[in-house]
Amino acid sequence: GAGVSQSPSNKVTEKGKDVELRCDPISGHTALYWYRQRLGQGLEFLIYFQGNSAPDKSGLPSDRFSAERTGESVSTLTIQRTQQEDSAVYLCASSLVASGTNEQFFGPGTRLTVL
Amino acid sequence: QKEVEQDPGPLSVPEGAIVSLNCTYSNSAFQYFMWYRQYSRKGPELLMYTYSSGNKEDGRFTAQVDKSSKYISLFIRDSQPSDSATYLCAMSPYNFNKFYFGSGTKLNVKP
Repeated sequence: GAGVSQSPSNKVTEKGKDVELRCDPISGHTALYWYRQRLGQGLEFLIYFQGNSAPDKSGLPSDRFSAERTGESVSTLTIQRTQQEDSAVYLCASSLVASGTNEQFFGPGTRLTVL
Repeated sequence: QKEVEQDPGPLSVPEGAIVSLNCTYSNSAFQYFMWYRQYSRKGPELLMYTYSSGNKEDGRFTAQVDKSSKYISLFIRDSQPSDSATYLCAMSPYNFNKFYFGSGTKLNVKP
């Protein structure tokens, strides 16, 4: 079946603009994660959604960042008033928590460049 | 101090060599330990998964966890050029609400 998809694949924006990144998880996966990966760095946890529970937003770096998820479907990550330090690849992953291994399946990422 | 430390490399080895990749961590609450492989411009993919201390083998890959030393390893036997990628360790407490990743080690296996 289809894997995790993300759009757009690339986004170039000007400093100060808002951007919205989209993630389509694997159907039936109850958990969804957003990460940020700066060039040459590991993954930095941003936010976690699990079913209808309140999301864990502890990784969001500032109040310019927000994310939403409707039920167990699409999620959007919004960055307001973008800054150059927001330039990174934003990765989304979904998992079926009940699987035991809780393997996360990653999308290909959205490469964000803030000029 | 970062929760997870990983040597970024790069690590360059000849084809057929045994590769050892390592991570250390500071949080004793971590229960689940994973290794991901990431090819350039792709999302990470899960390679190995272990729970608590011990060894796990899957083909040419062996994962080791030493919780007493807060140290995990991934060994790759008979390395192949197709193994060239960045390897990320990751760990999680029991409730999976958050995963902590190392910075990744870039591996290059030369033909």
